[in-house]
Amino acid sequence: GAGVSQSPSNKVTEKGKDVELRCDPISGHTALYWYRQSLGQGLEFLIYFQGNSAPDKSGLPSDRFSAERTGGSVSTLTIQRTQQEDSAVYLCASSREVGLSNEQFFGPGTRLTVL
Amino acid sequence: LAKTTQPISMDSYEGQEVNITCSHNNIATNDYITWYQQFPSQGPRFIIQGYKTKVTNEVASLFIPADRKSSTLSLPRVSLSDTAVYYCLVGFAGTALIFGKGTTLSVSS
Repeated sequence: GAGVSQSPSNKVTEKGKDVELRCDPISGHTALYWYRQSLGQGLEFLIYFQGNSAPDKSGLPSDRFSAERTGGSVSTLTIQRTQQEDSAVYLCASSREVGLSNEQFFGPGTRLTVL
Repeated sequence: LAKTTQPISMDSYEGQEVNITCSHNNIATNDYITWYQQFPSQGPRFIIQGYKTKVTNEVASLFIPADRKSSTLSLPRVSLSDTAVYYCLVGFAGTALIFGKGTTLSVSS
């Protein structure tokens, strides 16, 4: 079956530009997560959606970062006025969240390079 | 959120059993223990999850002692393709997973 998909797979942008990253979760998964991973580092949590609401935005590094989810499905992560330190792989994951279990399925990521 | 501690790296040879231990002293009652595997240029992949005692699937076993303050991922008879980064995480549905730097497992022939 279809897994989590993300687009674009690669994005190169100039400092100061805005970028939008898209995530299509697995159908039926109510929870959606965004993480980012810098070179050689572990994953850094950004934001979590349950349906269309975001009960946990604690990981967003600055007000230049925002995310939305519509129809309980597709999510978009927007980074405004990109900076070089925003360069990383941005990973999206979705989960059914049955009971307390929290198995997350990850997409392939979007590699963002800010020049 | 419970923090986890695991070795930075481990080396093994093909055919050996590998055990990676993770400590999570502040694990909460509702927390599950989950292990993920990540290959270069890919997103993490779920390996196994457990709450207590022992869990086994086709890929690995997870041993959790009664106090749940640690857990051990056991990979039987590793192969070169098991070379990856392994992350131990604790949490439950509705919370973010806190990924540390994981354990880099290198399997040699």
